[in-house]
Amino acid sequence: GQQLNQSPQSMFIQEGEDVSMNCTSSSIFNTWLWYKQDPGEGPVLLIALYKAGELTSNGRLTAQFGITRKDSFLNISASIPSDVGIYFCAGQSGGGADGLTFGKGTHLIIQP
Amino acid sequence: KAGVTQTPRYLIKTRGQQVTLSCSPISGHRSVSWYQQTPGQGLQFLFEYFSETQRNKGNFPGRFSGRQFSNSRSEMNVSTLELGDSALYLCASSLGALLGGYETQYFGPGTRLLVL
Repeated sequence: GQQLNQSPQSMFIQEGEDVSMNCTSSSIFNTWLWYKQDPGEGPVLLIALYKAGELTSNGRLTAQFGITRKDSFLNISASIPSDVGIYFCAGQSGGGADGLTFGKGTHLIIQP
Repeated sequence: KAGVTQTPRYLIKTRGQQVTLSCSPISGHRSVSWYQQTPGQGLQFLFEYFSETQRNKGNFPGRFSGRQFSNSRSEMNVSTLELGDSALYLCASSLGALLGGYETQYFGPGTRLLVL
């Protein structure tokens, strides 16, 4: 089946630093998504990307849909303590009814 | 507007038993998807229901089943539980477009199932 390789698995950074994480796939996706999951909660959508090459921002977050449609990255600028959590990339290859394929997540830890 | 609710939040079962989990979508949402989350395999898609019909299915054995009611509430059932079924089970709801295009899925907090 489809797999998403997400890296890094974990990041230990200082508050105020920028963060970058990415996902790659062996197959094409039509939609790339980035989620954040806090302990005891379900994933929350951060950014959705619909077109190859698309670059989208949401506050301090920026994500891009790779032109090959097989990769995506997420950047977080000037990290703050509430950015701590697990970030997941997800891809959808078909239309609205298709399930999402998730990466294994990047665990972000911020040291004050 | 109330979010997606899942009950129960925690559950302990023993091998061989069966379990039923419940999900109430956001009001007005007609699509409910279920996912299994484990440390080893991550988040994996189980199935999606729309208008009381299963529209899409992931790669899980037949022990995993679901249904959706006319009010869009959904239940997921796992029969003959195995130790490996221990996981966080998440449901997500969306409006439920019939034609392509991604719809934002809103996740509930999950039901944490422990199989002993």
